[in-house]
Amino acid sequence: GPKVLQIPSHQIIDMGQMVTLNCDPVSNHLYFYWYKQILGQQMEFLVNFYNGKVMEKSKLFKDQFSVERPDGSYFTLKIQPTALEDSAVYFCASSLDSTQDTQYFGPGTRLLVL
Amino acid sequence: GMPVEQNPPALSLYEGADSGLRCNFSTTMKSVQWFQQNHRGRLITLFYLAQGTKENGRLKSTFNSKERYSTLHIKDAQLEDSGTYFCAARNNAGAKLTFGGGTRLTVRP
Repeated sequence: GPKVLQIPSHQIIDMGQMVTLNCDPVSNHLYFYWYKQILGQQMEFLVNFYNGKVMEKSKLFKDQFSVERPDGSYFTLKIQPTALEDSAVYFCASSLDSTQDTQYFGPGTRLLVL
Repeated sequence: GMPVEQNPPALSLYEGADSGLRCNFSTTMKSVQWFQQNHRGRLITLFYLAQGTKENGRLKSTFNSKERYSTLHIKDAQLEDSGTYFCAARNNAGAKLTFGGGTRLTVRP
C-alpha cells in the first residue's frame, strides 16, 4: 500500500537543543499529521497541516513546536528548544482527504532527549 | 469520559482461538481505523470504515456510528497476531484521529 517515510528512525539529543523530524508523505496526499506516542501509552494527536497552514492542533503542540512543508518537500516537525518530556515516538501520517479517507502512518521517529 | 474507550486492555489467546476487541465512543464518530502495532512499534492499518462491516482474511471489523461502537474480530489466532491493537476514530468536526488506549494481544502456542 501507500508508504509514508520518516527520517531519522532514531534521534538522541541534549535537552535545549533543536531537532527536526522529517516526513516524506504519500506523493499525492494533501493532508499531513503528526502524532506522539510516549512509551507504553496511547497515541496522541499533535497537529494537522493543509495547504501550507496548521488546520488544527492539540494542547500537546507547544509553542516550541512548529511544522512546515517548504515547496512540497519533507513535511517537518521542529522542536526548539527540546525538553525531557518531548522524549517519545513521533508518527507522521498523510491522507488524500481530510475526513473521508484513510490516514497512512510512517514508521515513527524515536526521539530521546537527555 | 474518554472519547474512545477500548476493551479489553490486554488479551491472551491460544493459537487457533477466536476473540473480539471493542471500542465505544462517547460521541458520534464519522469513521474508524483499526491498527496493529507490532513489536518494532510499526503501525499497520488493518481497516478503515465509514460504516458497516469489512473482512480481510481472519479479521473482521464492524462500525456502527449510531450505536457508537466498533469491533475487531480475530478468527483462528496465529502467533504473528501478537501485538497492540488500536482503534482510532474521527468525529464530524475535523480530521484528527482520536485513539483508544489499545489492546495488548498475546497469542500463545
